[in-house]
Amino acid sequence: DAKTTQPPSMDCAEGRAANLPCNHSTISGNEYVYWYRQIHSQGPQYIIHGLKNNETNEMASLIITEDRKSSTLILPHATLRDTAVYYCIVKETSGSRLTFGEGTQLTVNP
Amino acid sequence: DAGVTQSPTHLIKTRGQQVTLRCSPISGHKSVSWYQQVLGQGPQFIFQYYEKEERGRGNFPDRFSARQFPNYSSELNVNALLLGDSALYLCASSDRVGDYGYTFGSGTRLTVV
Repeated sequence: DAKTTQPPSMDCAEGRAANLPCNHSTISGNEYVYWYRQIHSQGPQYIIHGLKNNETNEMASLIITEDRKSSTLILPHATLRDTAVYYCIVKETSGSRLTFGEGTQLTVNP
Repeated sequence: DAGVTQSPTHLIKTRGQQVTLRCSPISGHKSVSWYQQVLGQGPQFIFQYYEKEERGRGNFPDRFSARQFPNYSSELNVNALLLGDSALYLCASSDRVGDYGYTFGSGTRLTVV
């Protein structure tokens, strides 16, 4: 699985959009980009995934660049409950494992 | 519907002892994965089981073993515990191998003293 690079920490004001970047320059054609988050003392939570098109669900939007070497997770209106570590993961859908890096600690401030 | 259930939530063991952790997946899910999360790091993959067969193994010593039962629940066993085995052990449930979104339990916090 390709390696990902994320900033270690980010801050965001409550109510504003949180944009979390991820670099995955070695991604291969059959690998998807997945995002999970982990709120303190809980297990990781699946957010969204995509291959090459932008994706949106009730939690977030995922923007993948045309060359697929980077992506951005967007939380449109961040709340205090969105404070968590966000993990960007690259994986084939047939792959059995999620390879977590160290993620981005997002802190949403009032 | 109940989510992924792990037991116990916390336990303390002594070096050299053995421990068994348990996981019940979401009803209807046939795959269970185990992850170890050391404080300050992301989770690390240990095993995945699907339909009672091992489908993936991470870079962990043979002291770590697991199995899956006919009802799809799973146990993770760790023998000869070391201080470095202290971690949060997470179980993830999915309908199949390589499923789009895994559902994680809240984990078992193991402390080895």
